[in-house]
Amino acid sequence: EPEVTQTPSHQVTQMGQEVILRCVPISNHLYFYWYRQILGQKVEFLVSFYNNEISEKSEIFDDQFSVERPDGSNFTLKIRSTKLEDSAMYFCASSTGLGGETQYFGPGTRLLVL
Amino acid sequence: AQSVTQLGSHVSVSEGALVLLRCNYSSSVPPYLFWYVQYPNQGLQLLLKYTTGATLVKGINGFEAEFKKSETSFHLTKPSAHMSDAAEYFCAVSDRGNFNKFYFGSGTKLNVKP
Repeated sequence: EPEVTQTPSHQVTQMGQEVILRCVPISNHLYFYWYRQILGQKVEFLVSFYNNEISEKSEIFDDQFSVERPDGSNFTLKIRSTKLEDSAMYFCASSTGLGGETQYFGPGTRLLVL
Repeated sequence: AQSVTQLGSHVSVSEGALVLLRCNYSSSVPPYLFWYVQYPNQGLQLLLKYTTGATLVKGINGFEAEFKKSETSFHLTKPSAHMSDAAEYFCAVSDRGNFNKFYFGSGTKLNVKP
């Protein structure tokens, strides 16, 4: 069964460094998402992406964050200058459409900012 | 803004006992409703969802959930717990229409005792 994959599974970085989290969505999906879960908190929506542009973003998704689909398979989340509070589990998801369509989630990347 | 409440961050049941995990949403217009399960080191896997039609929906692994508009609820049940059901369960909703942002509950960790 097709699945969403994410790399790396764990990443440790120093505050102020740039990180890129990578995702390979399911191949025929058109909508892509990033969510994050800070330890002990709810899973929060960050951004959705469709047709090579951001379709919606949350207040969390400020200028330090960017997303890209550099080729036909990868979907990346870049954090330009990491802060301690960026430490979280980051989930990538994809779906075929909107309006009640299931989002399929990857296993997550655990990011630790020191 | 939409809010999702899962009562009980930890639920413990005996093997063979009824599982009941609670989920309530806040919006006056019923959203699309989802239950996901997360096993250790894995992504969020869809258990079931309600979009329209019959309010009792059946999912994988013997789980089912009933949408009750009057109670703004979508509780998850399973008649007889199995050891393999031990995992974390997340309720998620998305607003009706062509929206794709999911709002998550805080999750419930289910422990199954032998």
